[in-house]
Amino acid sequence: TQLLEQSPQFLSIQEGENLTVYCNSSSVFSSLQWYRQEPGEGPVLLVTVVTGGEVKKLKRLTFQFGDARKDSSLHITAAQPGDTGLYLCAGASSNTGKLIFGQGTTLQVKP
Amino acid sequence: KAGVTQTPRYLIKTRGQQVTLSCSPISGHRSVSWYQQTPGQGLQFLFEYFSETQRNKGNFPGRFSGRQFSNSRSEMNVSTLELGDSALYLCASSSKTGSIYEQYFGPGTRLTVT
Repeated sequence: TQLLEQSPQFLSIQEGENLTVYCNSSSVFSSLQWYRQEPGEGPVLLVTVVTGGEVKKLKRLTFQFGDARKDSSLHITAAQPGDTGLYLCAGASSNTGKLIFGQGTTLQVKP
Repeated sequence: KAGVTQTPRYLIKTRGQQVTLSCSPISGHRSVSWYQQTPGQGLQFLFEYFSETQRNKGNFPGRFSGRQFSNSRSEMNVSTLELGDSALYLCASSSKTGSIYEQYFGPGTRLTVT
């Protein structure tokens, strides 16, 4: 069974701080997605990483895919209250295309 | 392109009733997946449909069923509702480019069972 462990589960920080969220697995994924979800809404796709070692930047967000394509991280620089939400990572199985989701990281950024 | 749409957005039902939720995928997407999301369990995969056929299935009881129509629109049905079925039900349509699968979610249907 493929599992994705996300850490930390909860994070409460002050505006302007930096943070990193981790997504780890013992399985290899063909690609990995990161989503952000706000209360009462569906997850919104932020980025897809495909190549081992790949780094993608989206404004203040930096996403990295591990060399072995088993893990990923999301780093936010100078967090803003608008970054508040649930962050989910999801790995895609190359065989089935089925997405395996992590449990999510709830981020609260206080002004 | 229009995004994934789900109807209704909110539903209140009583234990023992049944409910049908609807999902319209992004135009051109042939795969539709359904998820149940609760605070305690996170996102739980229900099933996936591709070209009107169920392609993957999660570990949910037979009370949960779905179908997909020829225009890729999908419905899911929950019969004999239980209090524990209260959740946000999310539909996602998928695109595949090479080996890359990406899912795009709808806003969800919030189901409350009383």
